[in-house]
Amino acid sequence: GAVVSQHPSWVICKSGTSVKIECRSLDFQATTMFWYRQFPKQSLMLMATSNEGSKATYEQGVEKDKFLINHASLTLSTLTVTSAHPEDSSFYICSAPRPGDRQETQYFGPGTRLLVL
Amino acid sequence: TQLLEQSPQFLSIQEGENLTVYCNSSSVFSSLQWYRQEPGEGPVLLVTVVTGGEVKKLKRLTFQFGDARKDSSLHITAAQPGDTGLYLCAGGNTGNQFYFGTGTSLTVIP
Repeated sequence: GAVVSQHPSWVICKSGTSVKIECRSLDFQATTMFWYRQFPKQSLMLMATSNEGSKATYEQGVEKDKFLINHASLTLSTLTVTSAHPEDSSFYICSAPRPGDRQETQYFGPGTRLLVL
Repeated sequence: TQLLEQSPQFLSIQEGENLTVYCNSSSVFSSLQWYRQEPGEGPVLLVTVVTGGEVKKLKRLTFQFGDARKDSSLHITAAQPGDTGLYLCAGGNTGNQFYFGTGTSLTVIP
């Protein structure tokens, strides 16, 4: 099956710093990737759609300047949480559909847990 | 954002019991998926349904997509402790965007 990786898997940072999370499709090219965040015992909330070579599309209520998304290649999307605050602590998950797959299958990364102190 | 409500939100049952989880929305979806997620991991796809009225079976799990493609259900027969986890439905649109349901946390007690 298709593999999507995320790095880092865990990150702890001080309030006010910026944190970059990488999402890579390891065995397929992904023109589109999706970023989600998940709070404990809650569901995944779609934050934005990352488009290779163009601007990301953000969901309503998600701050573009706070969560910077760059999809510079067909296998890599990055999410940068700028000036992180404790309320940004969450589990961030990316996913990508593999071209040619039927039934809109998407492949999820293992997630990145962010803790802002 | 297209809202999908799952019920119940929490469920704790004894091993061997049956259960049904519901996923309801006012929006029509081109497809609907069910996932199970373990703590600290990404969700794992269980099934995708695309046709209104479609029923799919995966061992002890039965999935149904509503005729109007707005709702779905997941039925587990003879639940086992290994079924414990967070069950999520997700509705997909033609843009390949998926919106997740509110989630159902299932605990199966041995």
